[in-house]
Amino acid sequence: KNEVEQSPQNLTAQEGEFITINCSYSVGISALHWLQQHPGGGIVSLFMLSSGKKKHGRLIATINIQEKHSSLHITASHPRDSAVYICAVSGWSNFGNEKLTFGTGTRLTIIP
Amino acid sequence: DAGVTQSPTHLIKTRGQQVTLRCSPKSGHDTVSWYQQALGQGPQFIFQYYEEEERQRGNFPDRFSGHQFPNYSSELNVNALLLGDSALYLCASSRGTGGRPSSYNEQFFGPGTRLTVL
Repeated sequence: KNEVEQSPQNLTAQEGEFITINCSYSVGISALHWLQQHPGGGIVSLFMLSSGKKKHGRLIATINIQEKHSSLHITASHPRDSAVYICAVSGWSNFGNEKLTFGTGTRLTIIP
Repeated sequence: DAGVTQSPTHLIKTRGQQVTLRCSPKSGHDTVSWYQQALGQGPQFIFQYYEEEERQRGNFPDRFSGHQFPNYSSELNVNALLLGDSALYLCASSRGTGGRPSSYNEQFFGPGTRLTVL
């Protein structure tokens, strides 16, 4: 079983729909990350959170530490939101720059 | 600020060959991490360099080695290439903490090098 599980693997929705992507993890973490990867490979960090909820524009990320679960929501989805969304966790280390452990990603396609 | 840069963009090699991939970190960053992303999968951690030393390593064989230079740029070397080494190789840079425990420092990713092994 992977340490980080995401669902769904693929998601297709109409423009304007409310999107939810889920992430569950099985290890102790210092933080959970949501990242976005467009075709071609570049990865952009969207959120880093260790508790509660964060909002940036139309994106909202929540985390429940007790349940080891996080969700990424997109409100009023738009075709430009089409990308792969990846959940990753960072553990505790003595260095402060802990490696990331990634989920397999959710491929989101928004249809105009 | 050029951000994290990687070269080359694409590379085609044959089985048994050796390859070197390069990464220049974002200005002000001194820590470089390398990840391998197979098609349809999430990235997997290969190793991390700080102060020219390998500080953390994932579950990759010794065929995968690296180096960090005094200017913080880094190389990833893969020897005796296998078909299964075909992947997108991502470099990420961050600001180190001098070995002191600290909160997580955000990693910034480069565009990646796509390696195809035939």
